[in-house]
Amino acid sequence: AQKITQTQPGMFVQEKEAVTLDCTYDTSDQSYGLFWYKQPSSGEMIFLIYQGSYDEQNATEGRYSLNFQKARKSANLVISASQLGDSAMYFCAMREVRGSNYKLTFGKGTLLTVNP
Amino acid sequence: DTGVSQNPRHKITKRGQNVTFRCDPISEHNRLYWYRQTLGQGPEFLTYFQNEAQLEKSRLLSDRFSAERPKGSFSTLEIQRTEQGDSAMYLCASSFPTASNTEAFFGQGTRLTVV
Repeated sequence: AQKITQTQPGMFVQEKEAVTLDCTYDTSDQSYGLFWYKQPSSGEMIFLIYQGSYDEQNATEGRYSLNFQKARKSANLVISASQLGDSAMYFCAMREVRGSNYKLTFGKGTLLTVNP
Repeated sequence: DTGVSQNPRHKITKRGQNVTFRCDPISEHNRLYWYRQTLGQGPEFLTYFQNEAQLEKSRLLSDRFSAERPKGSFSTLEIQRTEQGDSAMYLCASSFPTASNTEAFFGQGTRLTVV
């Protein structure tokens, strides 16, 4: 069974600074995908970044980058130059592929607060 | 709006009543997922459709829950004889995986409160 662990229930960061949100995972699959989603108070899950298990380079999307350390089974999200609008819940998720089912297993999330 | 749409956004119901939620996925997406998110937790997988076929159901989906996706377009999730433990956010997601893009797009969810 897959498992995602996010050990930081809450994080605080000053505006314009960088912050790292931790995620470790456990799987016996060789092929898997790791995702980060942002969930503002309005409720929708917003896709941020994706890392495939065979990708050799760390994924980057604008101010978001994923620090992928396969041997340690970690996939930390780095947000650079934090903005007030980054305040939200952040979820790490793993894609489990069983046939055609690409379902996601999520961690419990980290609540990020950006202070002005 | 071409995103995933869920209705209603909020639903308050009395215990024992039946409720039905609707999800309209992105039109070209053939895969549709339902997730449930309780307070302080991440979303948990409930069920999965490929086109109109329901291919997997989680053990979380008790026999009071039923989901359909007629004609492979919109989907409905019905909960019969609601219980207070059913109070949660119900999220729908759709995807059309390709070699380079496997992300799922989520709707804004339906927040159910059972009183």
